[in-house]
Amino acid sequence: DAGITQSPRHKVTETGTPVTLRCHQTENHRYMYWYRQDPGHGLRLIHYSYGVKDTDKGEVSDGYSVSRSKTEDFLLTLESATSSQTSVYFCAITKGPASTDTQYFGPGTRLTVL
Amino acid sequence: AQKITQTQPGMFVQEKEAVTLDCTYDTSDPSYGLFWYKQPSSGEMIFLIYQGSYDQQNATEGRYSLNFQKARKSANLVISASQLGDSAMYFCAVEGSNYQLIWGAGTKLIIKP
Repeated sequence: DAGITQSPRHKVTETGTPVTLRCHQTENHRYMYWYRQDPGHGLRLIHYSYGVKDTDKGEVSDGYSVSRSKTEDFLLTLESATSSQTSVYFCAITKGPASTDTQYFGPGTRLTVL
Repeated sequence: AQKITQTQPGMFVQEKEAVTLDCTYDTSDPSYGLFWYKQPSSGEMIFLIYQGSYDQQNATEGRYSLNFQKARKSANLVISASQLGDSAMYFCAVEGSNYQLIWGAGTKLIIKP
């Protein structure tokens, strides 16, 4: 158990509405990540964080923003949701001191944008 | 840019047989790590095994081993004595730049009784 929770676990929303997904960890790890998973694409990195208020973009960051005001929480916001953002979203953390250590994942959030 | 290719979209294997899942990668970094994850139908991502590019021996974790051929840029996962519970999606990933993991599209493994 990596001590990672995600909320909500499921969400259905309408196009144009803002959505915030939360990732919470209990072990104060430095590195946190948001991925999306779509059929045929494996996982793709949206944003990552290497400390409080330290974040950077990943491969598919357009349309997403993040915030990390506390070590334990990493928020992903869709400012104006679109149908192309329908996906499963995973949060991950790296337990070791280096960013290249093994990543452990939360249970995922299934988001549907109608 | 780093890239991962998993050429087997799906595989059927008889229970108790060994399974080899293919993974080839492309990276120009001199030092990198390779990971395999399992995703059962319940959806969680489970870490299986890690191989560092400079590790001299192939990694093993219980029934999982990694057949690492650096010159061929190949990192195949071998599951010995497959079990019904091994049915899942399997993903290979390589360290990319800026903390990222670059993922393959996955292989769906089905173990037949």
